[in-house]
Amino acid sequence: QQQVKQSPQSLIVQKGGISIINCAYENTAFDYFPWYQQFPGKGPALLIAIRPDVSEKKEGRFTISFNKSAKQFSLHIMDSQPGDSATYFCAARYTGNQFYFGTGTSLTVIP
Amino acid sequence: DVKVTQSSRYLVKRTGEKVFLECVQDMDHENMFWYRQDPGLGLRLIYFSYDVKMKEKGDIPEGYSVSREKKERFSLILESASTNQTSMYLCASSLARGEAFFGQGTRLTVV
Repeated sequence: QQQVKQSPQSLIVQKGGISIINCAYENTAFDYFPWYQQFPGKGPALLIAIRPDVSEKKEGRFTISFNKSAKQFSLHIMDSQPGDSATYFCAARYTGNQFYFGTGTSLTVIP
Repeated sequence: DVKVTQSSRYLVKRTGEKVFLECVQDMDHENMFWYRQDPGLGLRLIYFSYDVKMKEKGDIPEGYSVSREKKERFSLILESASTNQTSMYLCASSLARGEAFFGQGTRLTVV
């Protein structure tokens, strides 16, 4: 079964708007939660990551919010730009350094 | 910069052929991974390796095998390619407790 559940599958946002992608997990042994960004024809690249002892992490326009009790985390992209159009994957790392990925969200930012 | 290089960007193989996908990383990472990426399914782990000659099955190992004879190289082998193995294959590497770095991917078509 899917270890990490991601929604929505696709997202269309106006330029300047906020993009929000949500993920949920069940396994409390996960200890690291990265987000990856993938452009067409490229491999995924690390965007931002958080550990479960932190509730929020911000890097520029990208913020991860983490709710340990609810086993949920989300990516917020502020002031979304057309260049942010990509597929985003949330992931969770198991203690053995195995990464489990969500199903991906295709983000389109309309100029 | 970490570099993970996959030997082919595109491959077309015939059903029943034995297929080798090669991956090389240049950062002395202990861990290496093979994922396949399919629309709507995200990234699914096929096999991973913690060290030379070590391998562990991921979530979907059936029909695949791997080889890690040198630390920097991790090969994925399709013993007898089938059409349902048509997919994007992604190699990744990481330090023991680090983030995963991905290659560009190999788009394999089995006809």
